[in-house]
Amino acid sequence: AQSVAQPEDQVNVAEGNPLTVKCTYSVSGNPYLFWYVQYPNRGLQFLLKYITGDNLVKGSYGFEAEFNKSQTSFHLKKPSALVSDSALYFCAVRAGAGSYQLTFGKGTKLSVIP
Amino acid sequence: EAGVAQSPRYKIIEKRQSVAFWCNPISGHATLYWYQQILGQGPKLLIQFQNNGVVDDSQLPKDRFSAERLKGVDSTLKIQPAKLEDSAVYLCASRLGGADNQPQHFGDGTRLSIL
Repeated sequence: AQSVAQPEDQVNVAEGNPLTVKCTYSVSGNPYLFWYVQYPNRGLQFLLKYITGDNLVKGSYGFEAEFNKSQTSFHLKKPSALVSDSALYFCAVRAGAGSYQLTFGKGTKLSVIP
Repeated sequence: EAGVAQSPRYKIIEKRQSVAFWCNPISGHATLYWYQQILGQGPKLLIQFQNNGVVDDSQLPKDRFSAERLKGVDSTLKIQPAKLEDSAVYLCASRLGGADNQPQHFGDGTRLSIL
């Protein structure tokens, strides 16, 4: 069975500081990894994905994520946080080619403090 | 391009009543998903369609939940009868298909409250 852990329920960061939202995963075979963001009363918006290739993936709104196979992690990062980045962030995993089911973590609430 | 459309946005019903949700995916997206998102949790897949066929409904409580996608475009999800634990946001998502690495695109969901 595949699973995702987001160990922090909430992350607080000052505006302009770098931010990291943590994610670890468990899956059989090569993982397909995704980050989504959810604003209040809205659906999930796709930020970025790792399928293969470079371990550092760049996505929307200046976000990036680093795939670390040995640590089974896929942490989301941004060099300089904006107040508008405050939202709920979800990490998700699929078991690679031919698998359809996407498993989500429970989410991390990011608060960027002005 | 237009996003995934869902209606209604909000629904309040009493337990044991019936309710239906509607989803219109992004044009051309062959794969459609229904998720249940309970407060404080990540989305949980209920059912996945490829065109008008069911790919995965292993987590759908089939004694009370049903879903269909008759013409391979729009989809409806029904709960009959509803229980208190069905209070959640029901999200519809669609995916282009073809390339295996395409992301899912989500609608804004229907928030269901059971009294």
